Amino acid sequence: EDQVTQSPEALRLQEGESSSLNCSYTVSGLRGLFWYRQDPGKGPEFLFTLYSAGEEKEKERLKATLTKKESFLHITAPKPEDSATYLCAVQAVRDTGNQFYFGTGTSLTVIP
Amino acid sequence: EPEVTQTPSHQVTQMGQEVILRCVPISNHLYFYWYRQILGQKVEFLVSFYNNEISEKSEIFDDQFSVERPDGSNFTLKIRSTKLEDSAMYFCASSGQFRNQPQHFGDGTRLSIL
Repeated sequence: EDQVTQSPEALRLQEGESSSLNCSYTVSGLRGLFWYRQDPGKGPEFLFTLYSAGEEKEKERLKATLTKKESFLHITAPKPEDSATYLCAVQAVRDTGNQFYFGTGTSLTVIP
Repeated sequence: EPEVTQTPSHQVTQMGQEVILRCVPISNHLYFYWYRQILGQKVEFLVSFYNNEISEKSEIFDDQFSVERPDGSNFTLKIRSTKLEDSAMYFCASSGQFRNQPQHFGDGTRLSIL
């Protein structure tokens, strides 16, 4: 069964305290892995796409990495404005075409 | 920056009624998507649409659902004979010229079935 699991469910960090969010997946036919940020009452906002194991992408304080089984979103020296829910999603190729599977997200709170 | 807009932001409908959710994708995008998120659960893929036809759909997207691009700007999701379990946040998304380009999401329509 295709699965995308994110951990932890919630994370509280002091401002400046670096950490990592995990997304593990058991999906065959992986086409791509996506990270999104979602603020309350808003739609997901695209952050990164990763296509193959070993790939890394960076944007400001965020860095995403991908292995054959999981992806990490590293947050370096977070600020309160980084507080949000971070969603991981995978695109998988099926006989019926592409399917998209989301994790339940990690709710990040950064305390000043 | 261009954005995906969805209307209405909140829709309340009686069970058994039909509802149409509307989306205006980013103007030069070619791929369009609908997702739903039941309160407290994962975002779930419903359907993707390209070149005026459905390109992929999930098991959730059964005969109760249909999508349409009635003109050059709107993209709609119709739910026939709504059920209580259709209550959810529905997100529209669009992406650019190629299938694997990033998807840009609207802020969703909260559908409440009474």
